[in-house]
Amino acid sequence: AQSVSQHNHHVILSEAASLELGCNYSYGGTVNLFWYVQYPGQHLQLLLKYFSGDPLVKGIKGFEAEFIKSKFSFNLRKPSVQWSDTAEYFCAVNAPWDNDMRFGAGTRLTVKP
Amino acid sequence: DAGVTQSPTHLIKTRGQQVTLRCSPKSGHDTVSWYQQALGQGPQFIFQYYEEEERQRGNFPDRFSGHQFPNYSSELNVNALLLGDSALYLCASSLRQNEQYFGPGTRLTVT
Repeated sequence: AQSVSQHNHHVILSEAASLELGCNYSYGGTVNLFWYVQYPGQHLQLLLKYFSGDPLVKGIKGFEAEFIKSKFSFNLRKPSVQWSDTAEYFCAVNAPWDNDMRFGAGTRLTVKP
Repeated sequence: DAGVTQSPTHLIKTRGQQVTLRCSPKSGHDTVSWYQQALGQGPQFIFQYYEEEERQRGNFPDRFSGHQFPNYSSELNVNALLLGDSALYLCASSLRQNEQYFGPGTRLTVT
């Protein structure tokens, strides 16, 4: 079965700093990959997803992620964070035929103004 | 257009009791998935309902059961509650196996 590792538990950045959150998964077959965000007091929202095609995926609010199959990774990036990006970020994976979506433990991002 | 709604928002139960949580999917969605999110963890898949049947189940005991109604809404039932069942229970809806939209969750505390 798939599993997901998010390397950083808590990341603290200043505004305008660049962001990269790590995500690795363990599954040898075809996968769908997702990043979700949970802003304080709000629902989980989809930031971006990868199903197939261009491994560099652009999402909402200036986020992007790169799927590197050889490294089983799907790291999330943003060139310049804002205070409003303070949130919990979850990486998730499932096989295309599998409804059991596996989530990482999450990375809490704090952006200092 | 209402998103996914869940009720109640919070619930406190005693060990051994039973609980029912409810979910209304986003308009136009026909598939409902339930997740358990323990404190400091990511959501864990409990099961998914489609066409009023449990389509797939995660690694949860039979104490966890569910139902989907003809209007696509769903219930999650947990029997014989344990302290370890305390968590945020999330409902997500989708149109078949497309992108899932999450609700705000029900916070269950078992004392």
